[in-house]
Amino acid sequence: DQQVKQNSPSLSVQEGRISILNCDYTNSMFDYFLWYKKYPAEGPTFLISISSIKDKNEDGRFTVFLNKSAKHLSLHIVPSQPGDSAVYFCAASALRGSEKLVFGKGTKLTVNP
Amino acid sequence: DAGVIQSPRHEVTEMGQEVTLRCKPISGHNSLFWYRQTMMRGLELLIYFNNNVPIDDSGMPEDRFSAKMPNASFSTLKIQPSEPRDSAVYFCASSFRGQGIYGYTFGSGTRLTVV
Repeated sequence: DQQVKQNSPSLSVQEGRISILNCDYTNSMFDYFLWYKKYPAEGPTFLISISSIKDKNEDGRFTVFLNKSAKHLSLHIVPSQPGDSAVYFCAASALRGSEKLVFGKGTKLTVNP
Repeated sequence: DAGVIQSPRHEVTEMGQEVTLRCKPISGHNSLFWYRQTMMRGLELLIYFNNNVPIDDSGMPEDRFSAKMPNASFSTLKIQPSEPRDSAVYFCASSFRGQGIYGYTFGSGTRLTVV
């Protein structure tokens, strides 16, 4: 059973518009959430994270929102750029600082020029 | 720093053969993780080590899979005998425990195809 779910396998947006990637989780013990970005033939790289004590974290064009009651988080990219085209993985851990990450299946984002 | 180094990058083998995947973590990192990526299940944690000791191997699919970390600079993941359903991309990652999750660095992966 998937504890971290990314229900959209793919997303396509126009350059300059907003990209919204969604993630749901089932384990109420998760208290730290991360987004990783992966280009073809490369390993995933850390993008942005959020602790369960916050509901928003922003880093440049990237913002992550957390809705604990709904067990839902989302990644917003504004404005989207062609170089953002990649697979985005949502990940979660129980106990802040725990090294064990549980990943979703990923969402492939395509940003069209 | 060369990052996490995995070898080989690609491996094609016949069903029943033994396969060994290798990983060199970042120098100074004391935790090492093996993940497997498939379309059906996404990224799954197979096993992780801290200070060369296996901490959690609950993700190892079955006895055909084994992992070792004989020293701080080397780890192997072995599949014996291999089966077509083992075909996937296998990632190794390392971190320094004091950095927590921020220190996670993935290698480029080994694409395994079992025919």
